[in-house]
Amino acid sequence: QKEVEQNSGPLSVPEGAIASLNCTYSDRVSQSFFWYRQYSGKSPELIMSIYSNGDKEDGRFTAQLNKASQYVSLLIRDSQPSDSATYLCAAHSGGGADGLTFGKGTHLIIQP
Amino acid sequence: SQTIHQWPATLVQPVGSPLSLECTVEGTSNPNLYWYRQAAGRGLQLLFYSVGIGQISSEVPQNLSASRPQDRQFILSSKKLLLSDSGFYLCAWGRQDDTEAFFGQGTRLTVV
Repeated sequence: QKEVEQNSGPLSVPEGAIASLNCTYSDRVSQSFFWYRQYSGKSPELIMSIYSNGDKEDGRFTAQLNKASQYVSLLIRDSQPSDSATYLCAAHSGGGADGLTFGKGTHLIIQP
Repeated sequence: SQTIHQWPATLVQPVGSPLSLECTVEGTSNPNLYWYRQAAGRGLQLLFYSVGIGQISSEVPQNLSASRPQDRQFILSSKKLLLSDSGFYLCAWGRQDDTEAFFGQGTRLTVV
């Protein structure tokens, strides 16, 4: 059974610091990985996609993938109060159109 | 640009009543379409996905059904709602050649 695991938190980080969010997945054939941000009561918003081992940077966000360890992470630099949200990690296995497997999310709180 | 519309935003229905939630996508052709449910304390669960008109795949057995009568329209239905059907229902779309998924605004369903 495909599973994506995240620490539910809350993870509390001071404003301006680096927030580090982690995720592990069980299905070794997973090829695509995603981070979504979900504000309370709202739908998830895609913020990062990563497909290859290593780092991918987009503005203040860096996604990291290590397929050997089945580990994905998201770093948020210069954290802002507006970054406070639940961050969902998701994985896709194989090449079909079947959907994503999501973790339960990590609740991130940025303290001013 | 592509947009996804989902309605209604909130819905309160009695047990045993029928359900119909609609989702439409604009600005793209032949998208993959998905219905997810997010229940309290649980992660996003894939309910149905569709790669084309009339083509529906179900991920979990339940008293819900889905239909795709037009290329960019996806409908989630139930003949008789259960209390356990309460949750946040999210429609998503993706490109045929990609695994990213983009969510609509969601419908918060409360069955009473």
